Amino acid sequence: NAGVTQTPKFRILKIGQSMTLQCAQDMNHNYMYWYRQDPGMGLKLIYYSVGAGITDKGEVPNGYNVSRSTTEDFPLRLELAAPSQTSVYFCASKTGPQETQYFGPGTRLLVL
Amino acid sequence: EDKVVQSPLSLVVHEGDTVTLNCSYEVTNFRSLLWYKQEKKAPTFLFMLTSSGIEKKSGRLSSILDKKELFSILNITATQTGDSAIYLCAVPNAGGTSYGKLTFGQGTILTVHP
Repeated sequence: NAGVTQTPKFRILKIGQSMTLQCAQDMNHNYMYWYRQDPGMGLKLIYYSVGAGITDKGEVPNGYNVSRSTTEDFPLRLELAAPSQTSVYFCASKTGPQETQYFGPGTRLLVL
Repeated sequence: EDKVVQSPLSLVVHEGDTVTLNCSYEVTNFRSLLWYKQEKKAPTFLFMLTSSGIEKKSGRLSSILDKKELFSILNITATQTGDSAIYLCAVPNAGGTSYGKLTFGQGTILTVHP
């Protein structure tokens, strides 16, 4: 198993550009999550999904969108990048509500 | 709103020292508390605590939960430079769902000098 994979590892965006952060897991996990982590801070939940076709907002959803067309993939879309979205983005997944979350390696995003 | 507060925010020690990291929480319908270690990349799971007073151990790391005081500690004995990391405490949200969203504390940055 590759576990949770994320691409790209690093990206620089200009203000107003759009991009999609990819997240995939091969563990057949139903639950998937997107977090952002700002310097010196803990992780904040952006969006989550409890299964294919079902998504919901977390604490900080503004400026982001997600989709979950398959169990494996949970992409995060930034439509109009802003400097406030400079952060490290982590995707995580787990098999059930009581289980431990497994994290991907993260995507570092810089918006200039 | 669920809340997790960690202290200290940063800690600098020398190899061989023992450290205690703190995590306090306020949640509705508490189910568990989790500790993660984050080095350069993603957080990695350390412990999940569900019951008061039962210590979980893994090598030089141990953790315990006090559900009455809404508090948990993570102890690291005989610290090594490889223990340098951010240690995160998190609690799953309940709120009548079982989606298991995690609320994280700010993290404690531990630096161990040789």
